[in-house]
Amino acid sequence: AIRMTQSPSSFSASTGDRVTITCRASQGISSYLAWYQQKPGKAPKLLIYAASTLQSGVPSRFSGSGSGTDFTLTISCLQSEDFATYYCQQYYSYPPIFTFGPGTKVDIK
Amino acid sequence: QVQLQESGPGLVKPSQTLSLTCTVSGGSISSGGYYWSWIRQHPGKGLEWIGYIYYSGSTYYNPSLKSRVTISVDTSKNQFSLKLSSVTAADTAVYYCASQDSSGYYYNWGQGTLVTVSS
Repeated sequence: AIRMTQSPSSFSASTGDRVTITCRASQGISSYLAWYQQKPGKAPKLLIYAASTLQSGVPSRFSGSGSGTDFTLTISCLQSEDFATYYCQQYYSYPPIFTFGPGTKVDIK
Repeated sequence: QVQLQESGPGLVKPSQTLSLTCTVSGGSISSGGYYWSWIRQHPGKGLEWIGYIYYSGSTYYNPSLKSRVTISVDTSKNQFSLKLSSVTAADTAVYYCASQDSSGYYYNWGQGTLVTVSS
């Protein structure tokens, strides 16, 4: 099965910061990668799919890039509502075994 | 906007079967184009895909759970369901239902329901 890793696992940041989270796949997954945001006690929310396509309604300060094995999620100007845990997910493998990264928690400095 | 809502017992005894239902509103399960999925999250941990079903009834399960999982669909009620047999404390988790694009990412999620396995 394809394994996903994320770095860092957690970090502190301030409102207004530019933030980058990295996701790496154990083998090439083309652009079959999604990013989700999860706040405590809530379900994950789709932010980006196909590595770089912004889901409708998601603020443009979020962006995604990468292909193959290395991907990044960037928040250009961190807002208070962005403090959350972020997960990547690959959907490349067939037979389908959809796997998520372990998550990156962004909290307030 | 499709909405999903999980329902079912919050407490299940070890060795018994966990049963949950997801009710879909704002759209029809039978309209096609989506898979209907179950995902779980152990307390304080990451996300684990359990399996999915298409409206036609075709299913695919996570191999790590396949021997214990059954997902079914009731298009007349616009619902799909999860059964997980022979549960242990390791199955204690928040269970989410979600709509999954045919390529594989999850569009919409239910709010999640905590299922605790304990005697």
